[in-house]
Amino acid sequence: NAGVTQTPKFQVLKTGQSMTLQCAQDMNHNSMYWYRQDPGMGLRLIYYSASEGTTDKGEVPNGYNVSRLNKREFSLRLESAAPSQTSVYFCASSPMKAGHTEAFFGQGTRLTVV
Amino acid sequence: KQEVTQIPAALSVPEGENLVLNCSFTDSAIYNLQWFRQDPGKGLTSLLLIQSSQREQTSGRLNASLDKSSGRSTLYIAASQPGDSATYLCAVKAAGNKLTFGGGTRVLVKP
Repeated sequence: NAGVTQTPKFQVLKTGQSMTLQCAQDMNHNSMYWYRQDPGMGLRLIYYSASEGTTDKGEVPNGYNVSRLNKREFSLRLESAAPSQTSVYFCASSPMKAGHTEAFFGQGTRLTVV
Repeated sequence: KQEVTQIPAALSVPEGENLVLNCSFTDSAIYNLQWFRQDPGKGLTSLLLIQSSQREQTSGRLNASLDKSSGRSTLYIAASQPGDSATYLCAVKAAGNKLTFGGGTRVLVKP
């Protein structure tokens, strides 16, 4: 049971470099999410995709772009990395239904921008 | 805009004491509320999920209550153990399947 898989697990970037964080889920979930977590804080929503073909901004979208490539995959792109984007990034997925629909998380990507 | 708050931000208790963790949200139109545990440097582990129509959910020593009208949920952990030391996060799912987190409560259970 792979669940939600994020790659890479660790990354160091120089300021101004670009990179794409990959996320894939094998649970046939409609909705996928990208969060960032800074030290001592909760998770803040960057972007989410309620269903294939749609994406919406969360609380902290500036400096990021996303692509919902298909139902399984949801990528997060940093076009020009900044030190303020140093964080741990989590991807999640959940079914597109109300009620008993648990969200599942990947193990995170630890990104450092120097 | 949904806002989720967890108070206190940190909590320290002696082993054996019951833990009470609070989560409040501003918009009561939620689909469900989920409690997670996070160990340092690790991902999130789901503990309990309460549907909007439920009042409580139990799993072993854990019990979570939900009062949707007042915008509150409480996670009770009975007879705490040092292994319960972690950060506990609550998240609410609402319209558009958007999932919003609180800031977490960092718990230390002292032997």
